[in-house]
Amino acid sequence: EDQVTQSPEALRLQEGESSSLNCSYTVSGLRGLFWYRQDPGKGPEFLFTLYSAGEEKEKERLKATLTKKESFLHITAPKPEDSATYLCAVQGWLQGGSEKLVFGKGTKLTVNP
Amino acid sequence: DSGVTQTPKHLITATGQRVTLRCSPRSGDLSVYWYQQSLDQGLQFLIQYYNGEERAKGNILERFSAQQFPDLHSELNLSSLELGDSALYFCASSGGGRGLNTEAFFGQGTRLTVV
Repeated sequence: EDQVTQSPEALRLQEGESSSLNCSYTVSGLRGLFWYRQDPGKGPEFLFTLYSAGEEKEKERLKATLTKKESFLHITAPKPEDSATYLCAVQGWLQGGSEKLVFGKGTKLTVNP
Repeated sequence: DSGVTQTPKHLITATGQRVTLRCSPRSGDLSVYWYQQSLDQGLQFLIQYYNGEERAKGNILERFSAQQFPDLHSELNLSSLELGDSALYFCASSGGGRGLNTEAFFGQGTRLTVV
């Protein structure tokens, strides 16, 4: 069964203090690994897709990386508006053709001014 | 704005009742997914439809059912509601079925409260 574990559950940073969020996964044939941002009471907002080990993607202060067992979301010089819950999800090939996502429980990031 | 529209935004109903949640996918997307999010469980996959047909089932209760119509909008029907069904219900859509790694875009959700 595909599984995703995110750590830490919660993270508090000062504005400008860089850090990383971790996503460990087990999946029968990785088709894609996805990062989403979710604000309270809102739907998840798509950030990145990573397809193969060694791949990296960047968007503003965020950079996502992927290995064969985990992914990291690096946040450089965060600002208070980066405060949100960050969700990691995997999509496997062996799902009977389904593109469903298996999500981790997320990391709640708080950035203090 | 993801382009995925869900209605209603909020729903309060009594135990034992039945409700219908509606989702309009992004223009051109063939796949619709339903997810349930509760405080302790995170986002749980319920069911996927692709171009009108059921493609995958997840942790969906027998009291719940869904369908996708010819215009590709989808409805999730929840019946014999229990207090534990209170949650956020999200719909997502993707191009799906083309053999590509396509990301899913989520709607803003329906918050269901069962009292």
